[in-house]
Amino acid sequence: DAKTTQPNSMESNEEEPVHLPCNHSTISGTDYIHWYRQLPSQGPEYVIHGLTSNVNNRMASLAIAEDRKSSTLILHRATLRDAAVYYCILHTGANSKLTFGKGITLSVRP
Amino acid sequence: DAGITQSPRYKITETGRQVTLMCHQTWSHSYMFWYRQDLGHGLRLIYYSAAADITDKGEVPDGYVVSRSKTENFPLTLESATRSQTSVYFCASRPSQGLEAFFGQGTRLTVV
Repeated sequence: DAKTTQPNSMESNEEEPVHLPCNHSTISGTDYIHWYRQLPSQGPEYVIHGLTSNVNNRMASLAIAEDRKSSTLILHRATLRDAAVYYCILHTGANSKLTFGKGITLSVRP
Repeated sequence: DAGITQSPRYKITETGRQVTLMCHQTWSHSYMFWYRQDLGHGLRLIYYSAAADITDKGEVPDGYVVSRSKTENFPLTLESATRSQTSVYFCASRPSQGLEAFFGQGTRLTVV
């Protein structure tokens, strides 16, 4: 399975944009890029996914590099509630498994 | 209630005892998963199921047994609990044609 690499942690200020990077240099053509986040004491929750084009939803934006070897999750205005562990995962429709790495821990300063 | 629910939320058991963690989803999703989460290891896949009566091993299946006689239920059994199985366990489900997985709130299991 193709793997992803994320920094261990990142800090941001409340109400400022946050860019969470993810490297996936061995991504295959059928791999979707997924982001999940896990708030303290909760199960992971889906944030966004994309294949080639940039994606926006109510929670975040996903910017995908043209060669697809990296991507960035963008939180446009961080809130204290966005403090969580964010996981970048590669997943194919044909592959039923979701394999999590250690993710990146986002801290938000008031 | 709609969604995915795990029970119990907290469990303390003794070494050597059998314990079963329950997972129930109301969406009739084809895929279901069991993960464990430990400090320093993140989420690790234990077992998963693509449909009723179809299960497969994940990364860390030793010491666990699963079954899936009905689409909506995916129980995880520790046949003889060990201290190393102290962890937080998460169940998840996903529809066959969808990419988004939905997770339960977790079961915190302590083996003493």
